[in-house]
Amino acid sequence: QVQLQESGPGLVKPSETLSLTCTVSGGSVSSGSYYWSWIRQPPGKGLEWIGYIYYSGSTNYNPSLKSRVTISVDTSKNQFSLKLSSVTAADTAVYYCARGFPEDGVLRYFDWGQGTLVTVSS
Amino acid sequence: SSELTQDPAVSVALGQTVRITCQGDSLRSYYASWYQQKPGQAPVLVIYGKNNRPSGIPDRFSGSSSGNTASLTITGAQAEDEADYYCNSRDSSGNHLGVFGGGTKLTVL
Repeated sequence: QVQLQESGPGLVKPSETLSLTCTVSGGSVSSGSYYWSWIRQPPGKGLEWIGYIYYSGSTNYNPSLKSRVTISVDTSKNQFSLKLSSVTAADTAVYYCARGFPEDGVLRYFDWGQGTLVTVSS
Repeated sequence: SSELTQDPAVSVALGQTVRITCQGDSLRSYYASWYQQKPGQAPVLVIYGKNNRPSGIPDRFSGSSSGNTASLTITGAQAEDEADYYCNSRDSSGNHLGVFGGGTKLTVL
């Protein structure tokens, strides 16, 4: 059973860059079967898909965040990362990393990290 | 705004059947998946594909689809089913982008 664990600062100042890492155990980010994804949830609100990276390095991002988001993978550490630039209070959320499996043209998220709360505040 | 639309809240009496729906253009072409989320926890996949349940999900959970609407049905709702439920699929342009519905809060009375 794969396990995912988010890590990174819990507090980020406005206009700065949010950086999070997801460490994968029990599986490899180099696997050709999965899409390594980030999903977030503002306090008291619903889930928002941020984007994914495939082992080949190809990425796909939510259009509403695309100009500010970068997802990368480090196969040597079996990790993938999220960077979100120019953050505002609206980016305050619990950030989840998840492993997506494509089926019938849709990514299914069987495995999730526990989530990490990132607060944007000065 | 979400491209997948859900009712904000639904309630069901203990032991009765409840249907939670999700509407969106992309659902005419792609199946939805459904996630259950309890307070303070990560979402859990409960239904995917035409009507598939991951290992460990009770068989009282089932899924169906018609036209632009996907449904999650809980037959014989239990107290532990009280949670938020989110549908998920592709965006309507089909660019393999993920999109979630706004979520439905299920209350078991």
